Amino acid sequence: QQPVQSPQAVILREGEDAVINCSSSKALYSVHWYRQKHGEAPVFLMILLKGGEQKGHEKISASFNEKKQQSSLYLTASQLSYSGTYFCGTGGSGSARQLTFGSGTQLTVLP
Amino acid sequence: KAGVTQTPRYLIKTRGQQVTLSCSPISGHRSVSWYQQTPGQGLQFLFEYFSETQRNKGNFPGRFSGRQFSNSRSEMNVSTLELGDSALYLCASSLLQGSSYEQYFGPGTRLTVT
Repeated sequence: QQPVQSPQAVILREGEDAVINCSSSKALYSVHWYRQKHGEAPVFLMILLKGGEQKGHEKISASFNEKKQQSSLYLTASQLSYSGTYFCGTGGSGSARQLTFGSGTQLTVLP
Repeated sequence: KAGVTQTPRYLIKTRGQQVTLSCSPISGHRSVSWYQQTPGQGLQFLFEYFSETQRNKGNFPGRFSGRQFSNSRSEMNVSTLELGDSALYLCASSLLQGSSYEQYFGPGTRLTVT
């Protein structure tokens, strides 16, 4: 079952904040976040494992609420380089490591 | 450390032909996964190999196959190509350390079937 991402697209100005959500109808073991720029491969941002932890990477952080079966990606003080399509991928435990990706959120940061 | 490499980067084939794509994972990574990316279906899992064994397989027809060599390099093969096979094929390598398994993608092979 593919996770649902929202919003589908967001446009913001440099310096503004954004939140991207990823929800699953299945119990989550892990959530992986990637950013993909046009014509390029997805770039790994962070992984969150079951346990409700929150992670941060510069001005990008994420949370994982296993009870709600959702994760959120927070981008603060957006930079032009943040533009791209953000994907969440949900993974299982044990040998079920393949990722099931959402349809992506297109983020555009304007000067 | 070198990243994931994929060859070729671009490929044009005709319906009915077959194609082989190659992926070299990050040094030390033993798991290689393959994904297909299309505008309509998004990113979809094809299969995963670990230590030369297929561990998981996605919902794709048998025309899609793969293998992994002892040096962890992997190949995927698509036989009897169809127009719908046109896509970006991505491989991702993973170290599989502990319970964490970050996957790092290669640049992909853009396959066009005419």
